[in-house]
Amino acid sequence: GAVVSQHPSWVICKSGTSVKIECRSLDFQATTMFWYRQFPKQSLMLMATSNEGSKATYEQGVEKDKFLINHASLTLSTLTVTSAHPEDSSFYICSAPGTGAGGYTFGSGTRLTVV
Amino acid sequence: QKEVEQDPGPLSVPEGAIVSLNCTYSNSAFQYFMWYRQYSRKGPELLMYTYSSGNKEDGRFTAQVDKSSKYISLFIRDSQPSDSATYLCAMSASGGSYIPTFGRGTSLIVHP
Repeated sequence: GAVVSQHPSWVICKSGTSVKIECRSLDFQATTMFWYRQFPKQSLMLMATSNEGSKATYEQGVEKDKFLINHASLTLSTLTVTSAHPEDSSFYICSAPGTGAGGYTFGSGTRLTVV
Repeated sequence: QKEVEQDPGPLSVPEGAIVSLNCTYSNSAFQYFMWYRQYSRKGPELLMYTYSSGNKEDGRFTAQVDKSSKYISLFIRDSQPSDSATYLCAMSASGGSYIPTFGRGTSLIVHP
């Protein structure tokens, strides 16, 4: 089945630094990738939709200059949290439209802690 | 009113019980309905995917969609402690890359 590999699974960084999160589709081509943020015991909040070869579409209220999304190829999408602050600490998850059985395939998530 | 409503729980049941998880929605355009299971600090994994109304069974899991009532359910038979997780419903107006709308998830605890 479709697999999305997300790295790193967790990261701790200092305030003011940048962190890059990668999502790779391993056995299929993902022309679209969704990026979510999830707070404890809350549902997934869509941040942006990336499309291969074009600019990402950001949801209202999401700072595009802070959360840089790049979809350079059909198998790789990245989210860079720039100048991270403690309030950016969260669980970030990527997802790509599934193949065959439908649905959406999620990465394993990245726990970001900014100290 | 949110597009998708889901009781966050927690729902605590004894091992072996039949579990019923539910979502209601308001958008009549939704046609694709999904259930995901999410373990703590992991990404959601697809459990069931159904189109339009009806039932779909896969092992101990049964998904039910009632479009006339805008109500979907996931039943888990013979629940196991390993079923303890958060279950999220999701739905979309079309398949493919149409952005799904998620419920907030129901936390399920199956105790031995």
